[in-house]
Amino acid sequence: DTGVSQDPRHKITKRGQNVTFRCDPISEHNRLYWYRQTLGQGPEFLTYFQNEAQLEKSRLLSDRFSAERPKGSFSTLEIQRTEQGDSAMYLCASSPGPEGEQYFGPGTRLTVT
Amino acid sequence: GDSVTQMEGPVTLSEEAFLTINCTYTATGYPSLFWYVQYPGEGLQLLLKATKADDKGSNKGFEATYRKETTSFHLEKGSVQVSDSAVYFCALQGRGRRALTFGSGTRLQVQP
Repeated sequence: DTGVSQDPRHKITKRGQNVTFRCDPISEHNRLYWYRQTLGQGPEFLTYFQNEAQLEKSRLLSDRFSAERPKGSFSTLEIQRTEQGDSAMYLCASSPGPEGEQYFGPGTRLTVT
Repeated sequence: GDSVTQMEGPVTLSEEAFLTINCTYTATGYPSLFWYVQYPGEGLQLLLKATKADDKGSNKGFEATYRKETTSFHLEKGSVQVSDSAVYFCALQGRGRRALTFGSGTRLQVQP
């Protein structure tokens, strides 16, 4: 068990470009979550998967954001046409069940210039 | 909607001092409550949790009691160490929900 991993750890992109982040959950965890954290704030929920099904999406997840979890294993979060306001830390978490502890990855820091 | 309010930081203490970080919440029904900690350069880690009223969560010398009447979940430690320097987040999980709702975090700095 190596914990939740995220790739890349840092991403700098120009406004208008598309970016994609990857999250690998703990292997036996069937639930996966994405959060966004801006400087000085706590994480804010974006979306949640149970296996490959995306069961909940926050209002924060605009049309430019899309998340997938093919085959119920790793997940990707894509942001299209990035804006400066998208600059944040994107956190992934996984849990073994609905009431189980959420284990967080180290995050991907996105900077949009 | 659900929300969590934490005391603002930074909180600066000397080693062996008593720590309290206040946390209050607003939620429908009876949520589960959590304290997460983020050490410098590391990811969020669960510190402790409580799932029903009057439960006390504890870990590594930290404690917090779920107080329904005051909708609070204050974090306490009797004697802090330099290694406790980190950002502490209070969070809740509403009944039937999967997402966590976090407070804005409180930075703790412990000086030798």
